[in-house]
Amino acid sequence: EVQLVESGGGLVQPGGSLRLSCTASGFTFSSYWMTWVRQAPGKGLEWVASIKQDGSDKNSVDSVKGRFTISRDNAKNSLYLQMNSLRAEDTAIYYCVRNIVSNDFWGQGTLVTVSS
Amino acid sequence: QSALTQPPSASGSPGQSVTISCTGTSSDVGGYNYVSWYQQHPGRAPKLMISEVSKRPSGVPDRFSGSKSGNTASLTVSGLQAEDEADYYCSSYAGSNRGVFGGGTKLTVL
Repeated sequence: EVQLVESGGGLVQPGGSLRLSCTASGFTFSSYWMTWVRQAPGKGLEWVASIKQDGSDKNSVDSVKGRFTISRDNAKNSLYLQMNSLRAEDTAIYYCVRNIVSNDFWGQGTLVTVSS
Repeated sequence: QSALTQPPSASGSPGQSVTISCTGTSSDVGGYNYVSWYQQHPGRAPKLMISEVSKRPSGVPDRFSGSKSGNTASLTVSGLQAEDEADYYCSSYAGSNRGVFGGGTKLTVL
């Protein structure tokens, strides 16, 4: 059974940092692009960043460029999102999902709240 | 990187059909056959309902179908059932290893 389990969310002050993790199981993690998608409270879904199978290629939405970094460790079946210089508008549930599009498996999400 | 355009709401009575549109540009919806549709019930993670414009993943009822014409994709739900009431989101590949979502449509079963 495919499982994606996020962790690392929480309350952080504006300008602070947080590192999200996603542990994958039930499939060959190293064979798939992986993506972070977020959803602000009461709002829609937003694609945040994606990373290639071997980590050699990645991209992110303009609003997080220079602040967020997506990475992965295939030996640990893990996906990460390092979030720096956090802003109130980054408050959201962050989902770890398989593939860039056609996201067939989603984690349960981890809530990030940016507030003083 | 503008979001795809969806109507904020749609509705239909049980047994009826409803179609939700998703409009993008030639750089996303119109440029690739990688349009997906997701269903999200309150408090739950989204669920993939349609991939690659019209492919139904295993377990998704055949009441759900997808299509695309030019820069607009569509999701049709036939034979509406109460459990279909949810938020629906489209997404598309947008080139350069990026994705983009629509703003979402709240489907109400009357």
